[in-house]
Amino acid sequence: AQSVTQPDIHITVSEGASLELRCNYSYGATPYLFWYVQSPGQGLQLLLKYFSGDTLVQGIKGFEAEFKRSQSSFNLRKPSVHWSDAAEYFCAVGPVGSGNTGKLIFGQGTTLQVKP
Amino acid sequence: DTAVSQTPKYLVTQMGNDKSIKCEQNLGHDTMYWYKQDSKKFLKIMFSYNNKELIINETVPNRFSPKSPDKAHLNLHINSLELGDSAVYFCASSQPWGGPSYEQYFGPGTRLTVT
Repeated sequence: AQSVTQPDIHITVSEGASLELRCNYSYGATPYLFWYVQSPGQGLQLLLKYFSGDTLVQGIKGFEAEFKRSQSSFNLRKPSVHWSDAAEYFCAVGPVGSGNTGKLIFGQGTTLQVKP
Repeated sequence: DTAVSQTPKYLVTQMGNDKSIKCEQNLGHDTMYWYKQDSKKFLKIMFSYNNKELIINETVPNRFSPKSPDKAHLNLHINSLELGDSAVYFCASSQPWGGPSYEQYFGPGTRLTVT
C-alpha cells in the first residue's frame, strides 16, 4: 500500500542554520511528490513538487527538495533557516488509487522550531 | 482575493447537534476536496468532487454528507455530532489530476470542537 513516512516528528534548528526534513514513501510506480507548509492557524501552502525530470526541485521561500528513487526519498532542504520558517511541514505522494482522482496521501508532518 | 475560503473559521457545538461548513473557491477549478486534520495533525482526505460529481469517498461515517451545488462550492454537513468529530477540517481545490501544473490549494481550515 502507498504510504508516506516523515521520520522526524519535531526538529529544532538555530536561525541561520541549514535544514533538512526527511520524507520516505512507498509507491508502486513513479510518484508525484509534494511538500506543503502549514503555518500556525493557517491552511497548507505548496512549497514545491516533483513530477518528472530534474530530481532537484526548487520551490518558494528558498526551499529545495531532491528526489532519490533508489532511496524512495524526497527530502526538503534549506541552506539558511529564518525564524518565519517555524511551521508544520507535510510531505505527500499521489495519485493514489484508481482513476487519477488526485488523491494524495500525507505524511504525519514535521514540526519545525527555530531558535533565535 | 481569497482563493479558497471556508466558513466558519471556528465552530463550537454540543454532541448530537447538526452543523455545516461551507467552502468556496474562486480559482475556476473543477475538483474540490474535504480533509480532516486530527489532534496529532494527521491529514486525511474525506471526499472529493469533480464538476459536482463525487469521485472520492473515503471510509467516512454516513453522518458526514458533502454537497456540491456548483463546481465552485463544496459544503460539508455533519449530523449527530460526536466528540471524535472534533478536528480541523480543510477544504481544497485543484484542476483534475494530470501534468506538472497540478496543485491542491487549501482553505484556512475550520476548527470544530464538539463538547
